[in-house]
Amino acid sequence: AQRVTQPEKLLSVFKGAPVELKCNYSYSGSPELFWYVQYSRQRLQLLLRHISRESIKGFTADLNKGETSFHLKKPFAQEEDSAMYYCALSQGAQKLVFGQGTRLTINP
Amino acid sequence: DTEVTQTPKHLVMGMTNKKSLKCEQHMGHRAMYWYKQKAKKPPELMFVYSYEKLSINESVPSRFSPECPNSSLLNLHLHALQPEDSALYLCASSQEGYLEQFFGPGTRLTVL
Repeated sequence: AQRVTQPEKLLSVFKGAPVELKCNYSYSGSPELFWYVQYSRQRLQLLLRHISRESIKGFTADLNKGETSFHLKKPFAQEEDSAMYYCALSQGAQKLVFGQGTRLTINP
Repeated sequence: DTEVTQTPKHLVMGMTNKKSLKCEQHMGHRAMYWYKQKAKKPPELMFVYSYEKLSINESVPSRFSPECPNSSLLNLHLHALQPEDSALYLCASSQEGYLEQFFGPGTRLTVL
């Protein structure tokens, strides 16, 4: 079965420290993977998709098919990065399956 | 207009009530979605409409009835709900064939 696993429910780092949010997936086909973010009192929004290979707000994520991972990284955390982060897998063009989410807190 | 809007923001209803949630987008998207999100859980897909036709129903109980009157509107009709149906209901839309989904702010539903 298709599944997305985010092993850390909570992650706390200090401002300026590197951040890595882990995401592992299981999928029999060719995966389409995303990171969505939900800031406090804001709607869920797309942060990154693996096919675009771009950096948004300093975050990058590389798809590693060998390790079935799509970890989200940022070299220097900022306080405004505090949010809930969801890794998501697309099953076909319309169906998104979300991981359980990681709440990231950046301490000053 | 580049947002998905949802009304109402909050809804409290009894188990015998009938109510509706509304979602609207004017981005020309042809796919629209309903998700249910319980506290501290990820969104779970309920329904997908593609070109105003129901394309995915994730085995949702019949007390939830979706409707897509036109390409910009999506409704979710509620009847005889249970307290465990209390949750945040999210609407989303996307261009057909594109994977990025745009989410609305949600309707917080409480069933008494």
